[in-house]
Amino acid sequence: SAVISQKPSRDICQRGTSLTIQCQVDSQVTMMFWYRQQPGQSLTLIATANQGSEATYESGFVIDKFPISRPNLTFSTLTVSNMSPEDSSIYLCSVGLLHRAGNTIYFGEGSWLTVV
Amino acid sequence: DAKTTQPNSMESNEEEPVHLPCNHSTISGTDYIHWYRQLPSQGPEYVIHGLTSNVNNRMASLAIAEDRKSSTLILHRATLRDAAVYYCILSLQGAQKLVFGQGTRLTINP
Repeated sequence: SAVISQKPSRDICQRGTSLTIQCQVDSQVTMMFWYRQQPGQSLTLIATANQGSEATYESGFVIDKFPISRPNLTFSTLTVSNMSPEDSSIYLCSVGLLHRAGNTIYFGEGSWLTVV
Repeated sequence: DAKTTQPNSMESNEEEPVHLPCNHSTISGTDYIHWYRQLPSQGPEYVIHGLTSNVNNRMASLAIAEDRKSSTLILHRATLRDAAVYYCILSLQGAQKLVFGQGTRLTINP
């Protein structure tokens, strides 16, 4: 299994500011992912964090708004830039581990952001 | 990604079995069927996955239809801690990113 730690776990942010969320994994993983879960909604994939290269963003998400870093195989950051109340969400880090029977995906506990 | 269809909500009683259905009529031959659940105020957690044969683990069983166009997650004896949103997701072998639908919100009555 993989243990994923996210910081901060919860924060209240002012409109127009930026916040960086950290994701630390207890083992080296090839791929890390960032998801967003808006209130009452399901999870939406933001991007794949690639080690040593630029992140791969899903449709509707752009680097200027959600810059991502991946300096090594156990750590990634997601920045939510120039926040507005619409950015109030849970942001989740995810990794996959390959087993003989296939992949198992693990999630962090999430970072709960409220923008006021 | 192939789409799955689940009921928005289901309700069951504690200590009774729960059968959570999932339809995936456009599933391809290489799609695995994954189930994840999200307990209140937590990130999603893995429950079970399978390809063609029924699967059992300590958390649940997965029954897959012969034509693979539907599957059922079975919780053999529900507890209050099983109250969660359950997601049925199709994913290619080796794929590590998941496309979530709306899932089924399961309520367990004491």
